[in-house]
Amino acid sequence: GDSVTQMEGPVTLSEEAFLTINCTYTATGYPSLFWYVQYPGEGLQLLLKATKADDKGSNKGFEATYRKETTSFHLEKGSVQVSDSAVYFCALSGPPGSSASKIIFGSGTRLSIRP
Amino acid sequence: ETGVTQTPRHLVMGMTNKKSLKCEQHLGHNAMYWYKQSAKKPLELMFVYNFKEQTENNSVPSRFSPECPNSSHLFLHLHTLQPEDSALYLCASSDPQGRADTGELFFGEGSRLTVL
Repeated sequence: GDSVTQMEGPVTLSEEAFLTINCTYTATGYPSLFWYVQYPGEGLQLLLKATKADDKGSNKGFEATYRKETTSFHLEKGSVQVSDSAVYFCALSGPPGSSASKIIFGSGTRLSIRP
Repeated sequence: ETGVTQTPRHLVMGMTNKKSLKCEQHLGHNAMYWYKQSAKKPLELMFVYNFKEQTENNSVPSRFSPECPNSSHLFLHLHTLQPEDSALYLCASSDPQGRADTGELFFGEGSRLTVL
């Protein structure tokens, strides 16, 4: 079945460092791909998404490119801030028109940024 | 008003207690969900409601009983829980079509449940 694998945390970086959180997926068909973020004490919120191969999602300085050939959707940011400390979830969904119950989440990667 | 509101934020209960979690959304969505978030495990989808009708139950034990009286409210009734049921329970809603391709589930802040 469909699945999402993301790098285990925790990831600890200094402020202004470059960030990469790896995510790979297994899916039949052409899923949409997402990154969600969960800040301390809050629920998850959508960070960015890409719906087809070679699309790049971006938001708040974060980017991820849908790579079909490597089945990957790595999250990157050029210069992280303390406020980026959170748990990041990679996710995929079924093809257009799928029920939202088909969203599959990775196990999450905790990111901590040192001042 | 925030989009999706969950109460209580924290709940401690004994194994013989009966309690309920409440979720309310003000986004005009017609699909609502319960997820369980445990440490170091992927999010687990528990129940899905679409237009007040339950459309999915992912083999959840009967000690968890959902209720969706209308499209804006969702409850999770709890009874005779086990310590391993301790987790963060997240409610979410999605657009009127409940489509996964938008990916935009809107989550509440969660209810932290501890079962003693």
